[in-house]
Amino acid sequence: EAGVAQSPRYKIIEKRQSVAFWCNPISGHATLYWYQQILGQGPKLLIQFQNNGVVDDSQLPKDRFSAERLKGVDSTLKIQPAKLEDSAVYLCASSFRGFATDTQYFGPGTRLTVL
Amino acid sequence: AQSVTQLDSQVPVFEEAPVELRCNYSSSVSVYLFWYVQYPNQGLQLLLKYLSGSTLVKGINGFEAEFNKSQTSFHLRKPSVHISDTAEYFCAVRLGGGSQGNLIFGKGTKLSVKP
Repeated sequence: EAGVAQSPRYKIIEKRQSVAFWCNPISGHATLYWYQQILGQGPKLLIQFQNNGVVDDSQLPKDRFSAERLKGVDSTLKIQPAKLEDSAVYLCASSFRGFATDTQYFGPGTRLTVL
Repeated sequence: AQSVTQLDSQVPVFEEAPVELRCNYSSSVSVYLFWYVQYPNQGLQLLLKYLSGSTLVKGINGFEAEFNKSQTSFHLRKPSVHISDTAEYFCAVRLGGGSQGNLIFGKGTKLSVKP
């Protein structure tokens, strides 16, 4: 069974530029999550999708971050414009139904460096 | 709101020695508890989870954890570690009882196994 795929693996940009990350969840998983992991901290949820609808985006900085999952499968996360403090690893995860008991499966992440 | 505290940021240990990684949580309601492992440049992988029932939970790679409700702890243990266990370990909590609450992670504990 293929795992969660993410691309690119690494990205270096200058502040005020824009960047996009892509995630393809495990086949059949209804729920998709985007997390931000700043160096030295645990992952923090940015947004949760159930199929193609947003369940929780309360911690997404909506003035600069956006995410979509148009067909309920793969998803993109965009930052525009980027700030220095956006340097982090962006993790995508998926789970079968989104229940609290479900295991979340994580992709390898995209390491973003903002200069 | 629930929170997670991982009491040690780094734990050095010699190969074949036992190890305990400590985790305390704060919540006024029932919770589900998880331990994830993150190897360098990889995403998170579930080690084990406590949902209900027996307070001693066994996971992959010989790890186990014990849920202690009175002490609000969920410490991770392994009786004999290997070099390959060198990684960062994250404790996480999620509200139970059918809630749609987020997965909240601790800051992580870096386990370093030395020969």
